[in-house]
Amino acid sequence: GNSVTQMEGPVTLSEEAFLTINCTYTATGYPSLFWYVQYPGEGLQLLLKATKADDKGSNKGFEATYRKETTSFHLEKGSVQVSDSAVYFCALISAGFQKLVFGTGTRLLVSP
Amino acid sequence: KAGVTQTPRYLIKTRGQQVTLSCSPISGHRSVSWYQQTPGQGLQFLFEYFSETQRNKGNFPGRFSGRQFSNSRSEMNVSTLELGDSALYLCASSSWGTREETQYFGPGTRLLVL
Repeated sequence: GNSVTQMEGPVTLSEEAFLTINCTYTATGYPSLFWYVQYPGEGLQLLLKATKADDKGSNKGFEATYRKETTSFHLEKGSVQVSDSAVYFCALISAGFQKLVFGTGTRLLVSP
Repeated sequence: KAGVTQTPRYLIKTRGQQVTLSCSPISGHRSVSWYQQTPGQGLQFLFEYFSETQRNKGNFPGRFSGRQFSNSRSEMNVSTLELGDSALYLCASSSWGTREETQYFGPGTRLLVL
């Protein structure tokens, strides 16, 4: 079946540091890939998405590229802020199905 | 456009009771999905409704059920509550059917079973 594997956290960084959160997936066909972010006490917010190979999703300084050859969708940001502290979820959805498959989430802690 | 809304935001119930959670999707969205989030199991898919029909169902017992109304609003019901049902229940809507797969989530309903 489909699955998503994320690096375990927490990831602890200082403000303005470079961020990478690794995500790899297993899926049949050509899934769409997503990053969602969850702030304390809130639901999930869509951060970015990519729907086909080599697509780059970007939003609020975050980027991720759909790499079919390595089945990866790593999240990156050049300079993190304290306000980026949250839990980040990588997810996929297979074409034709409305069922998101999530990774376990990676907690990011950014200190001033 | 208003986002996905869920009511209530918080609930406390005791074992054996039943509970109904409500979700109003983004205007124009006809697909509503439900997920359960727990520290131990993470985010798990419960079921998805489209045009009042359940199209997909996750691996949960029959105590978990749902429905969708003609205005796309959805409810989920959990009967005979167990301690392990304590979780954040998230609803998501999408305009699936217009080649848009992205799901947008509500703030969730936090259920505590005592």
